[in-house]
Amino acid sequence: EVQLLESGGGLVQPGGSLRLSCAASGFTLSTFAMNWVRQAPGKGLEWVSGIDAGSGVGTYYADSVKGQFTIARDNSKNTVFLQMNSLRVEDTGLYYCARAAPLREVLISYLDLWGRGTLVTVSS
Amino acid sequence: DIVLTQSPDSLAVSLGERATISCKTSQSVFYSSNNKNYLAWYQQKPGQPPKLLIYWASIRESGVPDRFSGSGSGTDFTLTIGSLQAEDVAVYYCQQYYTTPPVTFGGGTKVEIK
Repeated sequence: EVQLLESGGGLVQPGGSLRLSCAASGFTLSTFAMNWVRQAPGKGLEWVSGIDAGSGVGTYYADSVKGQFTIARDNSKNTVFLQMNSLRVEDTGLYYCARAAPLREVLISYLDLWGRGTLVTVSS
Repeated sequence: DIVLTQSPDSLAVSLGERATISCKTSQSVFYSSNNKNYLAWYQQKPGQPPKLLIYWASIRESGVPDRFSGSGSGTDFTLTIGSLQAEDVAVYYCQQYYTTPPVTFGGGTKVEIK
């Protein structure tokens, strides 16, 4: 079955760190650009970060997390990661891993496969 | 960054009736060289992740019922649910991929049963 499974969320104090993982199955991860999208409680979708297909030379971040979050991939383990440092209360939310459909002419296209998400709560 | 504005924020429609959602982009997402609009629509049911419904503004994803249709070009787009079913209760989002990063979404439209 083609799926994405996120893990690593939890409760953390402001200023703390978390590392999220996204395990892919049923498809060749290296072929696809991958993304993290978050959703604060009761709010809409916010793209957080993306990484190129292949070795992931290109990494991209929303201005709100630039310098704070780091995305990486390990294709041999079929896994994408999001390292989150200096966490703030406003980083609280459900973090989804999402696959981008392969399009040569854009860096990140539409998102054709989503995981169920992992919940990050930043609170003292 | 391209800003997407959806309207209305919510709407209530009777079963079997039509639901129409608008998405306006702050700049054109139409690429003349391939005659395509770089816009997608997603459905998010309560307690579930988003699901891709439509891409290229009007192409239904595999398995999506044909009561869902997308239209529009340039900066004005519409998602139409032709005959609302109970299972269509959800929040719907548009997303542009004309200029990425960043990926940008509309604010969402909540569809309920009247």
